[in-house]
Amino acid sequence: KQEVTQIPAALSVPEGENLVLNCSFTDSAIYNLQWFRQDPGKGLTSLLLIQSSQREQTSGRLNASLDKSSGRSTLYIAASQPGDSATYLCAVLDDKIIFGKGTRLHILP
Amino acid sequence: NAGVMQNPRHLVRRRGQEARLRCSPMKGHSHVYWYRQLPEEGLKFMVYLQKENIIDESGMPKERFSAEFPKEGPSILRIQQVVRGDSAAYFCASSRPGQGARETQYFGPGTRLLVL
Repeated sequence: KQEVTQIPAALSVPEGENLVLNCSFTDSAIYNLQWFRQDPGKGLTSLLLIQSSQREQTSGRLNASLDKSSGRSTLYIAASQPGDSATYLCAVLDDKIIFGKGTRLHILP
Repeated sequence: NAGVMQNPRHLVRRRGQEARLRCSPMKGHSHVYWYRQLPEEGLKFMVYLQKENIIDESGMPKERFSAEFPKEGPSILRIQQVVRGDSAAYFCASSRPGQGARETQYFGPGTRLLVL
């Protein structure tokens, strides 16, 4: 049974710092991996999607990597801003989407 | 092209009442997925539907919960005789036909259900 774990559960960093969010999954036979952002009381915004054949994806200040063999993904956020404060969800897709519990990120002004 | 729409956005019910949550997929999408997010938890898959068919309901509680996606109109997630433990955010996603559950899913804003 696929399980997705995100560490840390919560993170506070000063504005301007670079940071890394971690995601691990137990079954490497995934179709793709996706990172989402969720603001309080809101829906999900897709940030980056990495196909199983890919190693990384980049969008602006965000970079996501995927190492299928070790069952790990990281989301790197460069030059963090207060507007980056949100919960970040990692999700893997095999025959259905399995989500992690998320990392609550707080950027201190 | 409007995104996935869900209504109501907030729903308050007393224990024992029924809750009906609606989801209108994006234009051109014929596949709908429902997820539940309990407080402090990640989203959990509940059910995957195509028009007039339930494809995968492995995440649905066996009792009180049902889902449909009729030929016309939105998908409905129905919870009968609600209990406090049903309080959660319920998200709907839709996708195009093609690769089934492997198609990219687009998420709605969610319905937040509070059971008093």
